[in-house]
Amino acid sequence: DIVMTQSPDSLAVSLGERATISCKSSQSVLYSSNNKNCLAWYQQKPGQPPKLLIYWASTRESGVPDRFSGSGSGTDFTLTISSLQAEDVAVYYCQQYYSPMYTFGQGTKLEIK
Amino acid sequence: EVQLVESGGGLVKPGGSLRLSCAASGSTFGYYAMNWVRQAPGKGLEWVSSISSSGRHLYYADSVKGRFTISRDNAQKSLFLQMNSLRADDTAVYYCASNGIYGWFDPWGQGTLVTVSS
Repeated sequence: DIVMTQSPDSLAVSLGERATISCKSSQSVLYSSNNKNCLAWYQQKPGQPPKLLIYWASTRESGVPDRFSGSGSGTDFTLTISSLQAEDVAVYYCQQYYSPMYTFGQGTKLEIK
Repeated sequence: EVQLVESGGGLVKPGGSLRLSCAASGSTFGYYAMNWVRQAPGKGLEWVSSISSSGRHLYYADSVKGRFTISRDNAQKSLFLQMNSLRADDTAVYYCASNGIYGWFDPWGQGTLVTVSS
């Protein structure tokens, strides 16, 4: 199975500052048919199901604010929130969908400093 | 837009069985693969099982293989998870989630809580 490892486990950032979360996969998740990375990011707030933010590593889901961006390729990926807002407090997960044995990162808890 | 609603959770004793259901609204249910994902209290997300749009291809996490069975009824727009030989570490909120064409999970249901305890 592909192991997804996020860092850090928790992160405290001041309002208006940049937040960066890393996700590494144990093998490449680059889909050769379209040269895109099978990597998604989700946001989960307490008591709610996860919400899709980004797919193909860098494509923002419709309705997601443009302060959220994804980057990376192969095995190394990053989720960046350019200017943290209070409503961004949540746990963030990366997920690979390259293999049908889907796997998630362990999550990164984002808080306000 | 597809909406998903899980049901069937509850309290069950170790070794017992439970069947979860996920009802979908909308007309696209039969086009996409479906999944069960669980989240133990205070823990992260764990993918449990997937089923292809036709129901012919099934996948399971090692932690549930041989104990859980995923199935679907496209005519009824429903997804199921039969859980047997339940253990305390199966305690979690169970979410159903739809695959897009390529595999990301969207949308998700609100989840149903399964508690395994004597």
